[in-house]
Amino acid sequence: GAVVSQHPSWVICKSGTSVKIECRSLDFQATTMFWYRQFPKQSLMLMATSNEGSKATYEQGVEKDKFLINHASLTLSTLTVTSAHPEDSSFYICSARDSLGGTGDSYEQYFGPGTRLTVT
Amino acid sequence: SQELEQSPQSLIVQEGKNLTINCTSSKTLYGLYWYKQKYGEGLIFLMMLQKGGEEKSHEKITAKLDEKKQQSSLHITASQPSHAGIYLCGADNRGGATNKLIFGTGTLLAVQP
Repeated sequence: GAVVSQHPSWVICKSGTSVKIECRSLDFQATTMFWYRQFPKQSLMLMATSNEGSKATYEQGVEKDKFLINHASLTLSTLTVTSAHPEDSSFYICSARDSLGGTGDSYEQYFGPGTRLTVT
Repeated sequence: SQELEQSPQSLIVQEGKNLTINCTSSKTLYGLYWYKQKYGEGLIFLMMLQKGGEEKSHEKITAKLDEKKQQSSLHITASQPSHAGIYLCGADNRGGATNKLIFGTGTLLAVQP
């Protein structure tokens, strides 16, 4: 089956530094990837939609200058948390939509294992 | 914007008991997904429903989508400790250039041996 990987699986950084998280689709092409954020005991909140070769689309309330997204190829999207602060500590999950698969208008989405970010 | 409400928020059941989790949408559902998540891990895809009245089963888990396509239920028969986790319903949020998948509020399930 389709696999999405994330790297790193966990990271601890100091306040004020930037952290980059990678999301890769390993055996399929993904023109669209999504970035979610999850706080403990809460559901996933969509942060942004990453489109290959174009600018990401951010959800309301998400700072685009804070969370930089780059989707340079059909298999890789990166999320950079700039000038991280303790409130940015969270579980970040990406997903990728198979560009060629799916049924009708619903394309199956595959999720990465997540990246736990802790900002001290 | 579309919102998904899940109930209950959390659930503790004895091993062997049946349980049902509900997912209600504020708008018509075009694609309804059920996922399971272990805390701190990624999502495991369970099932996808598209048609009104559709029902799918996998092992001891059955998911249904009502005829009006605004409510889905996930039923687990004879629960086991391995069923414990967070259950999330997700829906294709149509609108704009890209269909986005939004998630419900989540249901935390604990199964007591």
